[in-house]
Amino acid sequence: EPEVTQTPSHQVTQMGQEVILRCVPISNHLYFYWYRQILGQKVEFLVSFYNNEISEKSEIFDDQFSVERPDGSNFTLKIRSTKLEDSAMYFCASTSSGGTDTQYFGPGTRLTVL
Amino acid sequence: QKEVEQNSGPLSVPEGAIASLNCTYSDRGSQSFFWYRQYSGKSPELIMFIYSNGDKEDGRFTAQLNKASQYVSLLIRDSQPSDSATYLCAVRDSGYSTLTFGKGTMLLVSP
Repeated sequence: EPEVTQTPSHQVTQMGQEVILRCVPISNHLYFYWYRQILGQKVEFLVSFYNNEISEKSEIFDDQFSVERPDGSNFTLKIRSTKLEDSAMYFCASTSSGGTDTQYFGPGTRLTVL
Repeated sequence: QKEVEQNSGPLSVPEGAIASLNCTYSDRGSQSFFWYRQYSGKSPELIMFIYSNGDKEDGRFTAQLNKASQYVSLLIRDSQPSDSATYLCAVRDSGYSTLTFGKGTMLLVSP
């Protein structure tokens, strides 16, 4: 069964450093998402991406964040200058149709900012 | 601000019992409703979705939706210890694809 994959599974970085989290969505899916979950808190939407551009973003997704689909398979989330409060699980999700289809989540990347 | 509320639990049930998980949402424009299961340290895993008022059954799981009361529930019949997890309710607006999650209800099924 096709699945969303994410790398790395765990990333440790120093405050102020840049990190890139990588995702490979399900191959025939067209809509891609990043969510995050701070430990003990709810899953929060960050950004959605369709047709090579951001379709929606939350207030969390400020200028420190960017997304890119550099090739036909990868979907990346970059955090330019990490803060302690960026420590969280970051989940990538994809769906074939943004309107009605369900979103399937990758296994997540645990980001720890020291 | 859209809100999705769930009792954080834990909800403890014995093996074989019915577990009932509840969720309320604030936005009357919400059109699609999802239940995800999340094991500790893992990603959300879709259990089922419901769009229309009433009940929807899938194996041991039944989702119930009442849009007038802005209420969604999930029943798990014949609960198993492997069902022990946090259950996340998520809603989506018509015309949007963003999921708004509740904080989740922890379910503990004892052998």
